[in-house]
Amino acid sequence: DVKVTQSSRYLVKRTGEKVFLECVQDMDHENMFWYRQDPGLGLRLIYFSYDVKMKEKGDIPEGYSVSREKKERFSLILESASTNQTSMYLCASGPLNTEAFFGQGTRLTVV
Amino acid sequence: AQSVAQPEDQVNVAEGNPLTVKCTYSVSGNPYLFWYVQYPNRGLQFLLKYITGDNLVKGSYGFEAEFNKSQTSFHLKKPSALVSDSALYFCAVRDMTPDKLIFGTGTRLQVFP
Repeated sequence: DVKVTQSSRYLVKRTGEKVFLECVQDMDHENMFWYRQDPGLGLRLIYFSYDVKMKEKGDIPEGYSVSREKKERFSLILESASTNQTSMYLCASGPLNTEAFFGQGTRLTVV
Repeated sequence: AQSVAQPEDQVNVAEGNPLTVKCTYSVSGNPYLFWYVQYPNRGLQFLLKYITGDNLVKGSYGFEAEFNKSQTSFHLKKPSALVSDSALYFCAVRDMTPDKLIFGTGTRLQVFP
């Protein structure tokens, strides 16, 4: 089975902290994605990547950055966490002509 | 720009009854359409996709979806709902430039015993 693993299920961080969300996939997918999920807003794309060291901004990149040093790992970075970044974060990978595979999500609370 | 709309925040249905979760799309060119399901505190799981071919697409867990080009719709259906189908359902469309998935706002399905 394809696995997309996010390093944490739940995180609580303080305002101003630098936060790292890690995502690893084991199927050698080139495409990886970070989404944010909020009630009533659905999933919004933050950043995505088609290859190592390559990144593209999604719809809501402000306040976030990403890193893809290895093909299997795609990290989302909150440079200085703020309360409006409290959300569920979902990582996905996969060829989009078939399906995307999602991790279990990280519920981040910024206090 | 490509987009999908899910007009219903919640759908309620009695167990054993047929269910429909609605999705409409707006794309330039031929659409790649998807349905995903999310159970509580979990990531999204793929249900089915339409790329080309038959307008009725069959997927996982007994779900199917009907692609209607004239109405630009891709509604999710199941002939007989189960309580265990209660979850959050997302419709999505593939945007080719650049290549990514765009999701709707989601519809919560509640199946009552």
